Amino acid sequence: QSVLTQPPSVSGAPGQRVTISCTGSSSNIGAGFDVHWYQQLPGTAPKLLIDSNSDRPSGVPDRFSGSKSGTSASLAITGLRAEDEADYYCQSYDNSLSGYVIFGGGTKVTVL
Amino acid sequence: DVRLVESGGGFLRPGGSLRLSCAASGFTFKNAWMSWVRQAPGAGLEWVARIKSKIDGGTTDYGAPVNGRFTISRDDSKNTLYLQMNSLTTEDTAVYYCTQGRYYFEYWGRGTLVTVSS
Repeated sequence: QSVLTQPPSVSGAPGQRVTISCTGSSSNIGAGFDVHWYQQLPGTAPKLLIDSNSDRPSGVPDRFSGSKSGTSASLAITGLRAEDEADYYCQSYDNSLSGYVIFGGGTKVTVL
Repeated sequence: DVRLVESGGGFLRPGGSLRLSCAASGFTFKNAWMSWVRQAPGAGLEWVARIKSKIDGGTTDYGAPVNGRFTISRDDSKNTLYLQMNSLTTEDTAVYYCTQGRYYFEYWGRGTLVTVSS
């Protein structure tokens, strides 16, 4: 069971907006650690999508956005496209594990 | 361009040992914090180990499931990261990714598959 909780799946029609939540606790997200997001297309390695809660690396479309509040973070995808169908993971650090890296369990986004 | 190329994966029996390598290029390896992240079949991502740059102390950290069994190391003269894995169990079966980044993983290799089975 992951320290960061994500919904197993979300879905939406092309053009719609979907959000993925990442819920932590006072020992990780709530302690002030940044949240980062990765996209993993089928059969490929993960790719950094959002870093430091809301920053988009070069080349990431502005359809992807991130936010953080309290003990949770969210990833939003607007104007959903077929190529967005993938697994998405949040990542942060945890105080109770001496600053170790933690991942969410992952969310499968399906484009209907 | 940044390249991370893992090698050394394979099939082995429980209790065996294996050493993974990651050849890095396209960035100043000696200044980079490097990690291994694994993904069991059909499962999510799991952080395995991290090594800081020597200028930042060169210290290592491990995830609880591998602590005491795995050792991460680096050879800055060869731009290569290693993961020595001992006392392997079936639960270590996964694709092992080499990653670069200090607080998040900016670059990833394609991974190397390790299968532990009796």
